[in-house]
Amino acid sequence: EIVLTQSPDTLSLSPGERATLSCRASQSVTSSYLAWYQQKPGQAPRLLIYGASSRATGIPDRFSGSGSGTDFTLTISRLEPEDFAVYYCQQFVSSSWTFGQGTKVEIK
Amino acid sequence: EVQLLESGGGLVQPGGSLRLSCAASGFTFSGYGMNWVRQAPGKGLEWVSLIIASGTNTHYADSVKGRFTISRDNSKNTLYLQMNSLRAEDTAVYYCAKRASPNSYHFDYWGQGALVTVSS
Repeated sequence: EIVLTQSPDTLSLSPGERATLSCRASQSVTSSYLAWYQQKPGQAPRLLIYGASSRATGIPDRFSGSGSGTDFTLTISRLEPEDFAVYYCQQFVSSSWTFGQGTKVEIK
Repeated sequence: EVQLLESGGGLVQPGGSLRLSCAASGFTFSGYGMNWVRQAPGKGLEWVSLIIASGTNTHYADSVKGRFTISRDNSKNTLYLQMNSLRAEDTAVYYCAKRASPNSYHFDYWGQGALVTVSS
């Protein structure tokens, strides 16, 4: 089983700052199988990035994804008030999916 | 507009059973694989099960294999999760999630979730 480890657990930043979230896999992951989601309290997750770097429909271009192999990154170029949330990476292997434990982006 | 609406959650005793439903609209339900994903209180996301578009193939997380059964009725645009032998650790919000396409590996739409509480 491939384990996804996200870091940091919590990121304290101010609006307008840049956020860099990491997702590290215990084994190499096919880039097309890597996605990122945003979840706000009391809401369902929302797809942000798929295929490691493709933005989902309607996602602002301040969100970007990059990486390959075992190291993937979600970058939010300039934090807006609505971006403070929990972010999860997800990967697929052998007809099952796993998620990272999440990174909470909170207002400093 | 794609909509996924879960129902059937509630309080059940350990060892009991519950069936969740997910009513889909706004897309051709029979053309997409569907998943259940759960989230224990205050915890992260855990994938539970997948059923392909035709309903002929299913997959489960090891944590629920042999206890949960995913199914679908494409004539009713509805996804199901039959949960048997429930345990306290099955307590979670259960989301249905649409696979973006048959050859994709991400979920583009999610329901609002149904809370299942397993407790005596």
